[in-house]
Amino acid sequence: AQKVIQVWSTASRQEGEELTLDCSYETSQVLYHLFWYKHLLSGEMVFLIRQMSSSTAKERSGRYSVVFQKSLKSISLVISALQPDDSGKYFCALWELPNTGGLSGKLTFGEGTQVTVIS
Amino acid sequence: DPKIIQKPKYLVAVTGSEKILICEQYLGHNAMYWYRQSAKKPLEFMFSYSYQKLMDNQTASSRFQPQSSKKNHLDLQITALKPDDSATYFCASSQEILGSSYEQYFGPGTRLTVL
Repeated sequence: AQKVIQVWSTASRQEGEELTLDCSYETSQVLYHLFWYKHLLSGEMVFLIRQMSSSTAKERSGRYSVVFQKSLKSISLVISALQPDDSGKYFCALWELPNTGGLSGKLTFGEGTQVTVIS
Repeated sequence: DPKIIQKPKYLVAVTGSEKILICEQYLGHNAMYWYRQSAKKPLEFMFSYSYQKLMDNQTASSRFQPQSSKKNHLDLQITALKPDDSATYFCASSQEILGSSYEQYFGPGTRLTVL
C-alpha cells in the first residue's frame, strides 16, 4: 500500500494565482517529518519546505507555505503568486523515525503532481 | 559550482554487464543516499550511508552494491545488469542526526538504459 499519496497527478493555474497541492500519508510513528520537493526539467530535485510532526508552527518559505492537518494525516503545499518558473513536478515525501531507533534517512515519496503555470 | 556531482549523466549498458555510478557531494554532509526512479514510479529509496557506514538497505538484490571510498563519495556498482534496471538513479546527501532528519539535497541523476 502506498504510504504517501498525491491524489492529483496534474494541476494548472494562471500566473499570479494561488495553488494548493494535497498530500496524504500513512505512519504509525509519533515522530516524523514531511518534505516538499520540486523536480525541475533539468533533472534537479530542489528542496522546498519541511514540516516536523512535533511542530505546530505554520511553516513558510518565501511563496511556499504548508497546511498541516496532523489528525487527518494530511499536508498541503500552498504556492502563492504563481510564476511561470513554478511549473514542474512537485513531490511530497515522508521521513519516519526508524523503529530500531537508529539512523536511516529514508524518504518515502509520493508519485508527484505535475504543475503548469499559464502565462 | 554544483554541490552534488553525479557521473555520468547518461549511461547505456548491455544486459549482463556491470556499471558504476559515481556520486560526490561537497556540502560537508555526513550522510549520503541512493534513490531510483523507474518510469512512471515515485522515487524509491535504495541505500543510506552515514560516516561511510551502511545505515539502511532497502534493495532486495545483491547486484546493487554501494561503495564509499571517501567521506563525501558514495558510488553505486550494479552487476549483471537487466533491462528492468533502466531508471534514473539519484544520489542525495544530508546532515543526519539521531532522532531527526534534515532536508536531503539531490544530485542531477544518472539516467541508465539497459539494452
